[in-house]
Amino acid sequence: GENVEQHPSTLSVQEGDSAVIKCTYSDSASNYFPWYKQELGKRPQLIIDIRSNVGEKKDQRIAVTLNKTAKHFSLHITETQPEDSAVYFCAASWRGSQGNLIFGKGTKLSVKP
Amino acid sequence: NAGVTQTPKFRVLKTGQSMTLLCAQDMNHEYMYWYRQDPGMGLRLIHYSVGEGTTAKGEVPDGYNVSRLKKQNFLLGLESAAPSQTSVYFCASSYERLQETQYFGPGTRLLVL
Repeated sequence: GENVEQHPSTLSVQEGDSAVIKCTYSDSASNYFPWYKQELGKRPQLIIDIRSNVGEKKDQRIAVTLNKTAKHFSLHITETQPEDSAVYFCAASWRGSQGNLIFGKGTKLSVKP
Repeated sequence: NAGVTQTPKFRVLKTGQSMTLLCAQDMNHEYMYWYRQDPGMGLRLIHYSVGEGTTAKGEVPDGYNVSRLKKQNFLLGLESAAPSQTSVYFCASSYERLQETQYFGPGTRLLVL
């Protein structure tokens, strides 16, 4: 079945630095790649998503890039702030599950002031 | 709008007991999902529904049943709870199709002794 690998599992950066989280997927038919942020004790919330017909998407300090050939996509956070500290999950749609999402195992991002 | 709500917030069960988790959404969404979240495992899809009266199996359906008798409600049942079902359960909904923003509920923490 589909497998979504997410790296690193933990990431610590200084405030103001950039953070990059990478995910790889196995199903070449996957065409939707969202990123969710989950603060401690809270629900996951969508922060950005990208579809397979686009190579890059930006929203203020957050950007996502997609390389369909290599089957990987990445989340980039610039000028990190303490409030960016959370667990981030990538996901990919999987045709084997009628297009439902398969999630990566998450990256715990800590931004040190 | 309340968005997506879940009841109960927390429950302790003994092995073999049964219970039902309720998810309600007031956004008129067609699609609803049940996930479980375990440490280091990300979010895994249990069951989902593409509309009132429909249900389908996700990635980890064994030991769970669901019903969607009303569009706004999606129930998750555990007929005979096992310690392996100790987890945090999240309900989510999306508007039109699978590959759209999923809005999550606050979660239900379940402990099976």
